[in-house]
Amino acid sequence: GAVVSQHPSWVICKSGTSVKIECRSLDFQATTMFWYRQFPKQSLMLMATSNEGSKATYEQGVEKDKFLINHASLTLSTLTVTSAHPEDSSFYICSAPGVTANYGYTFGSGTRLTVV
Amino acid sequence: SQQGEEDPQALSIQEGENATMNCSYKTSINNLQWYRQNSGRGLVHLILIRSNEREKHSGRLRVTLDTSKKSSSLLITASRAADTASYFCASNTGNQFYFGTGTSLTVIP
Repeated sequence: GAVVSQHPSWVICKSGTSVKIECRSLDFQATTMFWYRQFPKQSLMLMATSNEGSKATYEQGVEKDKFLINHASLTLSTLTVTSAHPEDSSFYICSAPGVTANYGYTFGSGTRLTVV
Repeated sequence: SQQGEEDPQALSIQEGENATMNCSYKTSINNLQWYRQNSGRGLVHLILIRSNEREKHSGRLRVTLDTSKKSSSLLITASRAADTASYFCASNTGNQFYFGTGTSLTVIP
């Protein structure tokens, strides 16, 4: 079945640095990738939708200059958290639509970001 | 916010009992999906029900959908300790995909 590989699984970085998270669709082409953020014991909040070859669409309240999304190919989408701050510490998850209309979305395994 | 609501927020049952979780959403949907998340992990797709379907089964899972009430329920029968996880509904409008607030299920062996 469809697999989305997300890396890294976890990362610790210092305040002010940037962190890149990658999501790759391994056996299918993902023209669209959704990026979510999840705080502890809370639901997933959609941050942005990336589309291959075009600009990402950001949800209201999400700073596009802080969360840079690039979808340069049909199999790779990246999220870069720029100038990270402790409040950016969260669980970030990507997902891509399934290969058929009856198949649910395929999620990456998530990235636990801790900014110290 | 387009986020849906789920109840209960937390549910604790004995192994072998049934678990029912409810989900409400806000806009018209193409389909509604249920996902499971183990602590600190990604989401796993459980079942998808289309807007023209009212009930669907998959193994020990039974999902209902009432589009007039914009609500859905997930029933897990004969629960097992391994079912302990958080469960999320997700409403798919075609262009967007919104998650409910989640139900944390604990199955006590």
